[in-house]
Amino acid sequence: GDSVTQMEGPVTLSEEAFLTINCTYTATGYPSLFWYVQYPGEGLQLLLKATKADDKGSNKGFEATYRKETTSFHLEKGSVQVSDSAVYFCALLSGGSYIPTFGRGTSLIVHP
Amino acid sequence: DTGVSQNPRHKITKRGQNVTFRCDPISEHNRLYWYRQTLGQGPEFLTYFQNEAQLEKSRLLSDRFSAERPKGSFSTLEIQRTEQGDSAMYLCASSLQSGTDGYTFGSGTRLTVV
Repeated sequence: GDSVTQMEGPVTLSEEAFLTINCTYTATGYPSLFWYVQYPGEGLQLLLKATKADDKGSNKGFEATYRKETTSFHLEKGSVQVSDSAVYFCALLSGGSYIPTFGRGTSLIVHP
Repeated sequence: DTGVSQNPRHKITKRGQNVTFRCDPISEHNRLYWYRQTLGQGPEFLTYFQNEAQLEKSRLLSDRFSAERPKGSFSTLEIQRTEQGDSAMYLCASSLQSGTDGYTFGSGTRLTVV
């Protein structure tokens, strides 16, 4: 079945540091890939997406590239801010499915 | 449109009581999903609707759980005879037909069973 594996958290960084959160997946066909962010006490918000190989999703300084050869969709940001502290979820939607599968989430803590 | 709305935000109930949650999706979204999220975990799929039809249910959805979407607009999730293991955040999401544009989530209902 479909699955998403994310790096264990928490990831703790100082403000303006470079961020990478790893995500790899297993899926049938050619899935669409997503990153969601969840702030404390809130629901998930779509951060970015990519629907085919080599696509790069980007939003608010975050980027992720759909790598079919390594089945990965790593999230990156060049300079994190305290306000980026949240839990980040990688997700996929397999072709022909209507139910997204989520990873366990990676907590990011950014210190001033 | 103000997005996906869930009510109540928090619910504390005694074990054995019944609870009902409501979700109002984005009006033009015809797909509606219920997920459960426990601490430190990602959302786990419970069930989804296309318009008023409930198309799929997870095996996580025991007989004590029932969901409805009577007119293809808002949805309710009822848990009967609650157990402590039901304590979780219950998330509702909606999407357009394909889902490739992503899913819009509500802020969730946090259930605590004491």
